[in-house]
Amino acid sequence: EAQVTQNPRYLITVTGKKLTVTCSQNMNHEYMSWYRQDPGLGLRQIYYSMNVEVTDKGDVPEGYKVSRKEKRNFPLILESPSPNQTSLYFCASSASYTGLDYYGYTFGSGTRLTVV
Amino acid sequence: GQNIDQPTEMTATEGAIVQINCTYQTSGFNGLFWYQQHAGEAPTFLSYNVLDGLEEKGRFSSFLSRSKGYSYLLLKELQMKDSASYLCAVRPSGGYQKVTFGIGTKLQVIP
Repeated sequence: EAQVTQNPRYLITVTGKKLTVTCSQNMNHEYMSWYRQDPGLGLRQIYYSMNVEVTDKGDVPEGYKVSRKEKRNFPLILESPSPNQTSLYFCASSASYTGLDYYGYTFGSGTRLTVV
Repeated sequence: GQNIDQPTEMTATEGAIVQINCTYQTSGFNGLFWYQQHAGEAPTFLSYNVLDGLEEKGRFSSFLSRSKGYSYLLLKELQMKDSASYLCAVRPSGGYQKVTFGIGTKLQVIP
């Protein structure tokens, strides 16, 4: 089954304790992206990657790191989490094809992170 | 930069038709997405419009006017399961992966 797998689904952590949220896709997609979703603010892009070893900042990159060492994996790293990073996080992937039948991002199931 | 506006909430009756509007201002435009998101779940792709006009997919249709910076999602024969948030998102020209989402329109379908 074609899918994007995120882990963990739920995470409660303490301020300053480094954590990694994993993301893996099995569709051989070139593009991957991380979003956070907050009430009243919608989905905001954190980082994106256009291929292996190619990453760039989205709209809200502060406090986050990413890496793309393999095509299928795109982990999100919080080196020193703070309470304002409490949010619902989504990983997404898409093919690079941009024709008229492009079907956009496939999203992972989400990770609900609470930083106390 | 990009700015996307859509109504926050809408209510419609089962079996009826509802239109969810989206307006956008962007410095460069490639296409516009509509996604459906049920509470607590991931967004799922509904449509992607690049050219002006209406595209129909079963009960759902999406319209785009590039010159007016305007799109709408039309849902026909509403069902209770259509209660969800509907997200409008813009894909810019050039930076294809810097997709910007609107806040979303929460649609409640009532009997």
